[in-house]
Amino acid sequence: DQQVKQNSPSLSVQEGRISILNCDYTNSMFDYFLWYKKYPAEGPTFLISISSIKDKNEDGRFTVFLNKSAKHLSLHIVPSQPGDSAVYFCAASGGENYGQNFVFGPGTRLSVLP
Amino acid sequence: DAGVIQSPRHEVTEMGQEVTLRCKPISGHDYLFWYRQTMMRGLELLIYFNNNVPIDDSGMPEDRFSAKMPNASFSTLKIQPSEPRDSAVYFCASATSRGSRGNTIYFGEGSWLTVV
Repeated sequence: DQQVKQNSPSLSVQEGRISILNCDYTNSMFDYFLWYKKYPAEGPTFLISISSIKDKNEDGRFTVFLNKSAKHLSLHIVPSQPGDSAVYFCAASGGENYGQNFVFGPGTRLSVLP
Repeated sequence: DAGVIQSPRHEVTEMGQEVTLRCKPISGHDYLFWYRQTMMRGLELLIYFNNNVPIDDSGMPEDRFSAKMPNASFSTLKIQPSEPRDSAVYFCASATSRGSRGNTIYFGEGSWLTVV
């Protein structure tokens, strides 16, 4: 039973356009969400996070939106660049049972085409 | 900081052999996590420690898997005996509880295990 879902295994976007990666969660106790980026043969690296007290967090080309009522978050990359091609993992934490534990989604592979 | 250090980076072993993966967390971090990445399940948590004490090992697949953290700077994940279905990338990660709520976790580069 996956508590964090990324229903799109892959996504292809043209360079310069917007990339939108989606994530859904089922546990209403989650109160902190993160996106990680992973290149082949490397460990995941932190990209951006958002607390449940916010609905948007922006860092340069990356913006994360959180819709608590829908238990949905999305990562927007604008403009997309070929170097953004990687696997993106959504992660969530919080609540009594999770604390500092982080539950990851299965990932979405983003390909940015030149 | 050197980051989370894992060894070996790659391991090929025969079925039935014992495999030991090692991890050195970031100095000062009090949480340590072991994750396994597979195509089917993505990143799944196997076990995590807080102040060297195992907190949740419900993700450990079977008794063949065991993990220890004898001190704040070292942890091992052992598989005995190994099976081909254990082939995956195993990531160690660490985090600190100090500072603001919701600190990030930092991953090592992973140990690629192939059991033939």
